[in-house]
Amino acid sequence: AQRVTQPEKLLSVFKGAPVELKCNYSYSGSPELFWYVQYSRQRLQLLLRHISRESIKGFTADLNKGETSFHLKKPFAQEEDSAMYYCALRFSGNTGKLIFGQGTTLQVKP
Amino acid sequence: NAGVMQNPRHLVRRRGQEARLRCSPMKGHSHVYWYRQLPEEGLKFMVYLQKENIIDESGMPKERFSAEFPKEGPSILRIQQVVRGDSAAYFCASSPIKTQGHEQFFGPGTRLTVL
Repeated sequence: AQRVTQPEKLLSVFKGAPVELKCNYSYSGSPELFWYVQYSRQRLQLLLRHISRESIKGFTADLNKGETSFHLKKPFAQEEDSAMYYCALRFSGNTGKLIFGQGTTLQVKP
Repeated sequence: NAGVMQNPRHLVRRRGQEARLRCSPMKGHSHVYWYRQLPEEGLKFMVYLQKENIIDESGMPKERFSAEFPKEGPSILRIQQVVRGDSAAYFCASSPIKTQGHEQFFGPGTRLTVL
């Protein structure tokens, strides 16, 4: 079955520390992977997608098909990065529905 | 462009009542998705609609739940005879005409509480 797993419910780091939010997926085809973020009192918004290979707000994520992972990384965390982060998978060629992980709360302490 | 609108933002119903959740997609978007988030869980896909058509309802419970996206007006997710287990946040997302490669834009959600 298709599944997205985010093993950490909460990740707490100090400002300036490196951050890695883990995401593993289970899918036999070629998936599209995304990271969505939800800041306090705001709606869910797209942070980045693997096909773009871009860095947004200092975050990057590399798709590792061998390990079926799409971990989100940032070398130096900022307090404004504190939010809920969701990893999501969209099947290639399908109707566009997303499968979300359970989410990880990132808490960046001053 | 005001973004995806959902109303009401909070809805309280007693067991057995009906709940109607509305979603107005972004201007120019003709694809609507509904997701449900139960407490302590991630968002789970429910249904995907285009104007006047249900394309994928694989995530919809078999009973009591229905969705529509009429030619005019918002998309509506309807829950009949609500039970406590229906208490959740319901999110709507929209995307432009072609879904492939296009981002889904999410609304603020409707929090349903069943007493």
